[in-house]
Amino acid sequence: QSALTQPASVSGSPGQSITISCTGTISDVGGYDYVSWYQQHPGKAPKLIIYDVTNRPSGVSYRFSGSKSGNTASLTISGLQAEDEAEYYCNSYVSSRSVVFGGGTKVTVV
Amino acid sequence: QVQLQESGPGLVKPSETLSLTCTVSGGSISSYYWSWIRQSPGKGLEWIGYISYSGSTNYNPSLKSRVTISEDTSKNQFSLRLSSVTAADTAVYFCARGRIGSGSYRVYYFDYWGQGTRVTVSP
Repeated sequence: QSALTQPASVSGSPGQSITISCTGTISDVGGYDYVSWYQQHPGKAPKLIIYDVTNRPSGVSYRFSGSKSGNTASLTISGLQAEDEAEYYCNSYVSSRSVVFGGGTKVTVV
Repeated sequence: QVQLQESGPGLVKPSETLSLTCTVSGGSISSYYWSWIRQSPGKGLEWIGYISYSGSTNYNPSLKSRVTISEDTSKNQFSLRLSSVTAADTAVYFCARGRIGSGSYRVYYFDYWGQGTRVTVSP
């Protein structure tokens, strides 16, 4: 299985909205509504921010939202804040009963 | 609040077996799925495998021949063994609680994570 494809970096100004894409295949992202997203600050463990494509765990800001179209899932961060600067990873269920992650996207607040 | 803590040697010699343990507090490992995930220096996340509440296991196909995940319910711990390690296995290893997608039995996302433990493979 190959890693899901994410842009290496995305940047935005405070208050803006940004979108991170996560592209897979029909065997993973396109075949199931089982995509999640994680936020990772340097030296810390990843934190779950979206699961089942669109659901936010309790305590996660409403500024984070997820969607999916075909083989591509997306994470949108609205009202960008300095604290949102981090690495973001998507992951998906794979038809072989496996799990695959994306390569990660570094978000910079400029 | 569920908490996970990894423990084990930080240095392993090439060709030897890497062994790590994850201690879970605030919840029983007799429920849910318990996973290992690693992150190589400067790289992304790689799922290693999981053990279920019933003791069944599922591994990443690329690592399957070298991986064993086991549990000790009496200590509320689960463990990872990775054999025949090379420098490519140098990484931060995380343990995490796995969850299933809505309306399915498909494990794919992880809601609680340990802080991670760095393992270096070197002579």
